[in-house]
Amino acid sequence: GNSVTQMEGPVTLSEEAFLTINCTYTATGYPSLFWYVQYPGEGLQLLLKATKADDKGSNKGFEATYRKETTSFHLEKGSVQVSDSAVYFCALSERGNQFYFGTGTSLTVIP
Amino acid sequence: EAQVTQNPRYLITVTGKKLTVTCSQNMNHEYMSWYRQDPGLGLRQIYYSMNVEVTDKGDVPEGYKVSRKEKRNFPLILESPSPNQTSLYFCASRNRGALAGLSSYNEQFFGPGTRLTVL
Repeated sequence: GNSVTQMEGPVTLSEEAFLTINCTYTATGYPSLFWYVQYPGEGLQLLLKATKADDKGSNKGFEATYRKETTSFHLEKGSVQVSDSAVYFCALSERGNQFYFGTGTSLTVIP
Repeated sequence: EAQVTQNPRYLITVTGKKLTVTCSQNMNHEYMSWYRQDPGLGLRQIYYSMNVEVTDKGDVPEGYKVSRKEKRNFPLILESPSPNQTSLYFCASRNRGALAGLSSYNEQFFGPGTRLTVL
């Protein structure tokens, strides 16, 4: 079956630190992979996506590369800001109808 | 403004009292979906709909019903709520896409959430 495993949080970083949030997946076919972000009290927003192996998704300084050989899609940012404090979800979908989300990783960035 | 709206935003009810959470989108999206979010479990898909009168089960459909009589609305129905359905619920929608298999390219737009407590 399909599933997503994310590193557990919470993660606390100082401003301008490097961020990595690990995500690995299990899928029966060739899924599309996503990172969503949830700010306090809000719904999820798409942060970035990748639809095939070796694709790199990027947005707002965040990046993630679709690695088929390691079934991973780790989220990275070179220099985090206080405004990046949120919960981050890794997700996959094989045909765009069913979606599978990780458990979420809470990030707090302190000035 | 393009958006997904949910009502109510907060609801406290008692076991067994039927309730409906409404979801509406104004983007003419074919696809709509319901999720529940629980601590330590992330988001889990309850039901989804690819178009009017087409619905299918997600990962955790037990105890829920949905209907899709109009493109813009996708209500979630709890016929006999139980305490284990206490959760934060999100509705989402997106374009289906022109080609099968490529539809996941399109971004899902999420509503603001409905916090349900069943006593």
